[in-house]
Amino acid sequence: DADVTQTPRNRITKTGKRIMLECSQTKGHDRMYWYRQDPGLGLRLIYYSFDVKDINKGEISDGYSVSRQAQAKFSLSLESAIPNQTALYFCATSDTRTGLHGYTFGSGTRLTVV
Amino acid sequence: QKEVEQNSGPLSVPEGAIASLNCTYSDRGSQSFFWYRQYSGKSPELIMSIYSNGDKEDGRFTAQLNKASQYVSLLIRDSQPSDSATYLCAVSDGNAGNMLTFGGGTRLMVKP
Repeated sequence: DADVTQTPRNRITKTGKRIMLECSQTKGHDRMYWYRQDPGLGLRLIYYSFDVKDINKGEISDGYSVSRQAQAKFSLSLESAIPNQTALYFCATSDTRTGLHGYTFGSGTRLTVV
Repeated sequence: QKEVEQNSGPLSVPEGAIASLNCTYSDRGSQSFFWYRQYSGKSPELIMSIYSNGDKEDGRFTAQLNKASQYVSLLIRDSQPSDSATYLCAVSDGNAGNMLTFGGGTRLMVKP
């Protein structure tokens, strides 16, 4: 099984619908992140969480919300999806205790809003 | 705002050549530097990390860091078509809990 699992892998939804993307990890990392990536563009940070009680907005949090249900689970919600939220979404994790070792990414969720 | 800059490319090299990918960063307090490889539609995969000035080699990959010049590079020797991907440079922010700032990536194309 993958260390960082994202569900669903692909999703098509209609404008105005609420949708939740889920991320779970078995790495035991304390930090989790949500990014979006648009074609030809880099990664943009949506939200991040340093532990269960510490959730912070990233550079593009408008229209999104998150929930850190447990250390291993971090969900991203689109309350009312709009077409310009069509993108590839990645969850990532990192570990404060082991220092500066970069992020581990999930396989991504391809979201299409029609 | 802390920035990480990369030439978007595409960088085209023939098979067997050395590919040189470059990255500059704005935060002098950065301590850790990473290179990720991302195939189209796939997630970024960590391929190299470097923490001190100089070179670090791992197989066909060499990361080079020059903190005085705020410059980090990735060399890929004996480039293969399977190396064709986008390479993301990432730099840690020591003042933000070591969160990473990503560059926009350089697309590498290795032609047979």
